[in-house]
Amino acid sequence: GNSVTQMEGPVTLSEEAFLTINCTYTATGYPSLFWYVQYPGEGLQLLLKATKADDKGSNKGFEATYRKETTSFHLEKGSVQVSDSAVYFCALSERGANNLFFGTGTRLTVIP
Amino acid sequence: SAVISQKPSRDICQRGTSLTIQCQVDSQVTMMFWYRQQPGQSLTLIATANQGSEATYESGFVIDKFPISRPNLTFSTLTVSNMSPEDSSIYLCSVALPGQATYEQYFGPGTRLTVT
Repeated sequence: GNSVTQMEGPVTLSEEAFLTINCTYTATGYPSLFWYVQYPGEGLQLLLKATKADDKGSNKGFEATYRKETTSFHLEKGSVQVSDSAVYFCALSERGANNLFFGTGTRLTVIP
Repeated sequence: SAVISQKPSRDICQRGTSLTIQCQVDSQVTMMFWYRQQPGQSLTLIATANQGSEATYESGFVIDKFPISRPNLTFSTLTVSNMSPEDSSIYLCSVALPGQATYEQYFGPGTRLTVT
């Protein structure tokens, strides 16, 4: 079956620190992988995606590389800001299917 | 992308009652979905709302408990029937749009439901 395992939070970092949020997946086929972000009081927003092995998704300074050999899609940012404080969700969908499977979410708090 | 609104944004309801949540999209979309996010947990797909036909429910969800309407390509409703405290969750609608190499889902702001 399909599942996503995400690093448990909460994560608290100082401004300008390096961020890694781990995400590994299990899938029966060749999934597309996504990171969504949920800012306080808002809905989920698509942050970045990758659709095949070795693809790197990037947006707003965040990056994640689709690693088929380790079935991972870790989210990274070199220097976080207070405005990055949010809950981050890793997700996958099988090719041709529309159902998204989500990880449990990781709450990030960045302090000045 | 798509702009999605939901009503109500939050509600507190008594057990045994029902609540209907509305989802409005700013453009016509074929694929629309309803998710549930229970406290401290991840999102779980309830059903796919099909325009002109019955919704397709995921395992563990049934039409009698979560009836869904999809009268046109921009609107859907989800009803949470005969509520119990276990139904306290955030309910989100989403739409899938074709992106580069895959469909991308866009979410509404959610409806926070508390059942007392």
